[in-house]
Amino acid sequence: GENVEQHPSTLSVQEGDSAVIKCTYSDSASNYFPWYKQELGKRPQLIIDIRSNVGEKKDQRIAVTLNKTAKHFSLHITETQPEDSAVYFCAASDSGNTPLVFGKGTRLSVIA
Amino acid sequence: GAVVSQHPSRVICKSGTSVKIECRSLDFQATTMFWYRQFPKQSLMLMATSNEGSKATYEQGVEKDKFLINHASLTLSTLTVTSAHPEDSSFYICSVRGRLGNYGYTFGSGTRLTVV
Repeated sequence: GENVEQHPSTLSVQEGDSAVIKCTYSDSASNYFPWYKQELGKRPQLIIDIRSNVGEKKDQRIAVTLNKTAKHFSLHITETQPEDSAVYFCAASDSGNTPLVFGKGTRLSVIA
Repeated sequence: GAVVSQHPSRVICKSGTSVKIECRSLDFQATTMFWYRQFPKQSLMLMATSNEGSKATYEQGVEKDKFLINHASLTLSTLTVTSAHPEDSSFYICSVRGRLGNYGYTFGSGTRLTVV
């Protein structure tokens, strides 16, 4: 089955700096890669996703890149703000009615 | 995307009792629902895949006799934690995948179970 590795587990950045979180996956059949932000006690909130037919996607301060050959994808947050502080999860799945497999999460702290 | 309702949001029960958690797909028929468990400061771990009209598929290490899943209709899946113990205290959350061609997943609001 799919295995998703996520690094780093914790990340502290100064407000205004960029943050990068990296994930690798194992199953070459995976073709959908979402990123979630989760606040304590809440459901995961989708912030951006990418499908395997594209290499990069951007939405304002957030971007995701995908390297299918290397089986890794990354989340980039620019101009970080204190409200970006949360736990971020990457995940992967294929195109069937199959579950998402999550990485272990990254706790991002943006220091004002 | 899909709209998923999960109840209850919080429940406290005594050790040895059973608790039922409901997950409803409000706007489309979900033949499959996924149940996850999340312990504090950990990731979401898939417990089981709930299939309408048939038995659920459990992940390795998840006791099917303890975590009973019923998916009797296309809009409702239930997870019953039987003979709950303090170590079952966790955040339980369901998920469905959108309609064919829509890659996105929708999550319920989650249930915080505390066993005392």
